[in-house]
Amino acid sequence: DADVTQTPRNRITKTGKRIMLECSQTKGHDRMYWYRQDPGLGLRLIYYSFDVKDINKGEISDGYSVSRQAQAKFSLSLESAIPNQTALYFCATSAGEGGNEQFFGPGTRLTVL
Amino acid sequence: RKEVEQDPGPFNVPEGATVAFNCTYSNSASQSFFWYRQDCRKEPKLLMSVYSSGNEDGRFTAQLNRASQYISLLIRDSKLSDSATYLCAVNLNNFNKFYFGSGTKLNVKP
Repeated sequence: DADVTQTPRNRITKTGKRIMLECSQTKGHDRMYWYRQDPGLGLRLIYYSFDVKDINKGEISDGYSVSRQAQAKFSLSLESAIPNQTALYFCATSAGEGGNEQFFGPGTRLTVL
Repeated sequence: RKEVEQDPGPFNVPEGATVAFNCTYSNSASQSFFWYRQDCRKEPKLLMSVYSSGNEDGRFTAQLNRASQYISLLIRDSKLSDSATYLCAVNLNNFNKFYFGSGTKLNVKP
């Protein structure tokens, strides 16, 4: 079984809809991250969390919110989806200090019409 | 200015060729460096960490040049299976954030 899972894997929705992307991990890591990836722009950090009580904005948090329901779960919400939020979304985890690698989930491909 | 910059490529090379990618970073406080491999429509996966002394893993060699603020990845004897996008990542340990480059695409052709 995959250590980092994301649901759904693909989603098509309409402008104005509320969308939640979910991430679960079995790695026992405290740190979890949400990124979006767009062609030519690479991975951009949306939000990150270092433990259940800690939530931090990344470089592109506008239009997004997150919830860290448990150590193993970190969800990303789009309260009112817009077309320029069409992207590939990745959840990632890491252990301990920043020198440790990040492990990525398989990604969620979101299309907002 | 972007925190991390890479040449997007694509680099089109024949099998057996040696190819090198560079990645520059803007923050001299960066402390940890990584190369990730990403196949089309898949998640990035760690290829190797980059240490100050450089490191080698089979056909792959990574180097760090702090003075010029870049990291490099050298792939020797390229295989068809090396075709992918290679992302560099740097981490500012004090701020616990990773910054990724936009990736360099490699196509290895028969």
